Amino acid sequence: GQNIDQPTEMTATEGAIVQINCTYQTSGFNGLFWYQQHVGEAPTFLSYNVLDGLEEKGRFSSFLSRSKGYSYLLLKELQMKDSASYLCAVQDSNYQLIWGAGTKLIIKP
Amino acid sequence: TAGITQAPTSQILAAGRSMTLRCTQDMRHNAMYWYRQDLGLGLRLIHYSNTAGTTGKGEVPDGYSVSRANTDDFPLTLASAVPSQTSVYFCASSAGTGDTDTQYFGPGTRLTVL
Repeated sequence: GQNIDQPTEMTATEGAIVQINCTYQTSGFNGLFWYQQHVGEAPTFLSYNVLDGLEEKGRFSSFLSRSKGYSYLLLKELQMKDSASYLCAVQDSNYQLIWGAGTKLIIKP
Repeated sequence: TAGITQAPTSQILAAGRSMTLRCTQDMRHNAMYWYRQDLGLGLRLIHYSNTAGTTGKGEVPDGYSVSRANTDDFPLTLASAVPSQTSVYFCASSAGTGDTDTQYFGPGTRLTVL
């Protein structure tokens, strides 16, 4: 079966760095997406990885290791507005997105 | 640019009744999707359409139907609602279905079936 695993909840301090991990087992791999979702809102796109390595975009970076079935989202200089759920999704061999349940990130002052 | 709109924002529906959730995009995207999101679970694909005139079944299609008569609209119909269909429904679209085609989401419809 297809499976995406992420921690359910994480807590971090304003101004700090947090790493949210995602491991996956899917039928094929055509890319990995990270989305941010605030409470009561729609998911919004953050990053996309298809090759191994680190993709940096401002305060957010995303890493992929295809051989390990592993990705992480790194958030630097945390702000209160970063309190949200972070969703990991893998595009399988049929180009359908398989979604993790999301990681709720709580930022404390 | 409006992007993707969904209607209604929320709805309470009696079990056994039918309902159509509306979704419209103005980005001229070829592909559209319907997901449901339930607490503790990832987004689950209900139905999708890779291009106007075609539709396909996702992971959880039972009890739902869709149509794609044109590029912009992708309505989702519940023929006879059941309480297990209580959920938040998101419509999404992407330019294509390739590996770099990001999905963009509408604001969602919160449906409660009693």
